[in-house]
Amino acid sequence: DVKVTQSSRYLVKRTGEKVFLECVQDMDHENMFWYRQDPGLGLRLIYFSYDVKMKEKGDIPEGYSVSREKKERFSLILESASTNQTSMYLCASSPPVLEANQPQHFGDGTRLSIL
Amino acid sequence: GENVEQHPSTLSVQEGDSAVIKCTYSDSASNYFPWYKQELGKGPQLIIDIRSNVGEKKDQRIAVTLNKTAKHFSLHITETQPEDSAVYFCADMIYNQGGKLIFGQGTELSVKP
Repeated sequence: DVKVTQSSRYLVKRTGEKVFLECVQDMDHENMFWYRQDPGLGLRLIYFSYDVKMKEKGDIPEGYSVSREKKERFSLILESASTNQTSMYLCASSPPVLEANQPQHFGDGTRLSIL
Repeated sequence: GENVEQHPSTLSVQEGDSAVIKCTYSDSASNYFPWYKQELGKGPQLIIDIRSNVGEKKDQRIAVTLNKTAKHFSLHITETQPEDSAVYFCADMIYNQGGKLIFGQGTELSVKP
């Protein structure tokens, strides 16, 4: 089974702090994704990566950056945390899109509160 | 950009009844449609998916139908059980856009014993 592990289940930080959310997958997947989940809005894509050191902006990248130094690890960075970034953050991974689209596999999420 | 609308936002059924959740999409290039179930405190888990060259797919009590002409797809759960209670998300994917999923807003299903 695919295992996507997010380092923290709950995190509380203060406004203005630099925050790191970590995600590791064990299936050697090329693609990794970061989403935020808010009630009534579903899951919205923040950033994604096709390979090591590659990154692409998703639909809501403002206020975030990412890092992918190793294939199995994808980090989400809140440069200067603000209260409107309080949310559930979900990491996912998938094989590359070759002949057909592939499903994404999700971690259990990090619930981040910014005070 | 692509948009996925999901209805209803909440659904309450009696144990043993059927539940149907519907989604519509806007981009005719969409060709992959997964459904995810999210239980409390957990991440979304894939429960069934369908590709655009298929009209229907079943897996035990769960089925998904796709109408490409009308651009909508639906999740059908028969003989519902209390453990089916969760939030369900539909999504679609456009080929050659790097595997990005566009999610619906979610449906909170409650199955009453």
